[in-house]
Amino acid sequence: DGGITQSPKYLFRKEGQNVTLSCEQNLNHDAMYWYRQDPGQGLRLIYYSQIVNDFQKGDIAEGYSVSREKKESFPLTVTSAQKNPTAFYLCASSMTSGHYNEQFFGPGTRLTVL
Amino acid sequence: QKEVEQNSGPLSVPEGAIASLNCTYSDRGSQSFFWYRQYSGKSPELIMFIYSNGDKEDGRFTAQLNKASQYVSLLIRDSQPSDSATYLCAVNPNYGNNRLAFGKGNQVVVIP
Repeated sequence: DGGITQSPKYLFRKEGQNVTLSCEQNLNHDAMYWYRQDPGQGLRLIYYSQIVNDFQKGDIAEGYSVSREKKESFPLTVTSAQKNPTAFYLCASSMTSGHYNEQFFGPGTRLTVL
Repeated sequence: QKEVEQNSGPLSVPEGAIASLNCTYSDRGSQSFFWYRQYSGKSPELIMFIYSNGDKEDGRFTAQLNKASQYVSLLIRDSQPSDSATYLCAVNPNYGNNRLAFGKGNQVVVIP
């Protein structure tokens, strides 16, 4: 089965803790993305990567960090510097070689700060 | 001006009717346009994409693109209760990368 997996599905964090959200894809996609969704809001881009060992900040990168050591994996760390991290986090992937590259989403991780 | 705007409030349609959703975008150089469906508590699912002016039909869904007027719309024919969801419009602005800009979404409620 080809697809994008995210874990965990639910995550609870105490104030001051760093947490890492996992995203794995076996679609052989070059590009991967992290979005954040708050209630009643659209998707906001946190970070994206178009190739291994390279990534760029999106619109709301402060308080987050990523790595892209393997094509299949793009973990997101929510650091203690992120002041309001409670949200629904979505990972997506796409090809980059075509002229139009649709993004496909994983099931998401719902993060709650206690 | 926001990159992608979906201004309509929640849309209630009777079962079997046509639901019509609109989306406008600001970057005239945008090349590709997408509609995602998102059920409550779930992740977005790609249902339509369109690249050329005109209509594109897929089952009960029709996407319409008008680049001159900078809008893209989605029609859902013969609406079913299972179509009740939030529909997100996404646009690939002409940034030279694969980033998408998303609208805030429109909620559709199909009334049996």
